[in-house]
Amino acid sequence: GAVVSQHPSRVICKSGTSVKIECRSLDFQATTMFWYRQFPKQSLMLMATSNEGSKATYEQGVEKDKFLINHASLTLSTLTVTSAHPEDSSFYICSAGQGTDTQYFGPGTRLTVL
Amino acid sequence: GQSLEQPSEVTAVEGAIVQINCTYQTSGFYGLSWYQQHDGGAPTFLSYNALDGLEETGRFSSFLSRSDSYGYLLLQELQMKDSASYFCAVRDTRGSTLGRLYFGRGTQLTVWP
Repeated sequence: GAVVSQHPSRVICKSGTSVKIECRSLDFQATTMFWYRQFPKQSLMLMATSNEGSKATYEQGVEKDKFLINHASLTLSTLTVTSAHPEDSSFYICSAGQGTDTQYFGPGTRLTVL
Repeated sequence: GQSLEQPSEVTAVEGAIVQINCTYQTSGFYGLSWYQQHDGGAPTFLSYNALDGLEETGRFSSFLSRSDSYGYLLLQELQMKDSASYFCAVRDTRGSTLGRLYFGRGTQLTVWP
């Protein structure tokens, strides 16, 4: 199956700093990638749809100025958590679609904000 | 909006069969997917149903009834390694964006020896 990678896998930062997470499709081109957030023991919540060459589409309630998404190429999307606070600590997961039926998920990035 | 319901927990013994149900209410429907997630890991794709009926993939099968807004995941010959969370997810056709997935809260499956 298709492979999606994320970097870093874990990050710890101080409150008020910004953190960038990369999502790459390794063996296919993805015009669309998705970003999810998952709190412990909870479901995956879709945050935004990342479209190559255009602005991301954010789900209701997700602050676009806080979670900056850039999809500069067909294999890379980045999520930047700006001015991070402890409540932003979570597991961030990206996915990319191949065809129309299946999304493949990256391994996730665990963010801890102190 | 989207609403998916699935049981929070299921337990079973090795070798048994387990069925995890999922009911959904969505503004649009393009297909029902199932994902497995182990603690600390990313979701891995298990199966996808766009049409009514049963899809079989090895020990796992998935069923969909669009008229009932209902589906299930059937796990046979359970193994200890099957202990994980299982999520149903609906693809929503709302708007012009295809491929967005909305997840249920997940079912924690525990397999006992």
